[in-house]
Amino acid sequence: DAGVIQSPRHEVTEMGQEVTLRCKPISGHNSLFWYRQTMMRGLELLIYFNNNVPIDDSGMPEDRFSAKMPNASFSTLKIQPSEPRDSAVYFCASSLTGALEQYFGPGTRLTVT
Amino acid sequence: GENVEQHPSTLSVQEGDSAVIKCTYSDSASNYFPWYKQELGKRPQLIIDIRSNVGEKKDQRIAVTLNKTAKHFSLHITETQPEDSAVYFCAASGTNTGNQFYFGTGTSLTVIP
Repeated sequence: DAGVIQSPRHEVTEMGQEVTLRCKPISGHNSLFWYRQTMMRGLELLIYFNNNVPIDDSGMPEDRFSAKMPNASFSTLKIQPSEPRDSAVYFCASSLTGALEQYFGPGTRLTVT
Repeated sequence: GENVEQHPSTLSVQEGDSAVIKCTYSDSASNYFPWYKQELGKRPQLIIDIRSNVGEKKDQRIAVTLNKTAKHFSLHITETQPEDSAVYFCAASGTNTGNQFYFGTGTSLTVIP
């Protein structure tokens, strides 16, 4: 199994640009989670999906952030427009609902200058 | 909502000694408690977990204990090795919270050779 796949692994962009992060969950998993990790705030849950449906997006910091899951094998997290304070590592994780164990992808390190 | 506290934030031990990391949680309905290890620049990886119907679980040098009455759980690493050096995160979860994880703030463990 390839595990959770994220792309890109690194992204450097200028303030004001649109950023799109991508995630492919483990095949067969039906829950998907987006996290942001910074030194100051630790691991924060941004949003999660069950069966492609957003369940809780209360962690999304503001309207500049949006996430979609058009099918069971793909999700995106978009930031538009990006700001320097969005610089962080963004992780995607997936799980089999009911099994509870979450498996993390390698993360995308985002730097906004 | 659930609140997870983790202590200590940093821990240094001599190689071969034991390390103990403690977490408390607030929601008595939480029933799943995973521990993740994150090496520098890597993804969090599940190392052990425990469900609320058991009090202790072991896997080689790693063990987790759970006290439901006191709402705390602990990670124990025996015979520590330099490769155990990492940041460790605890989390609490349950069906009452839609299976989303509430993470502690992490413990940076350093094993001194």
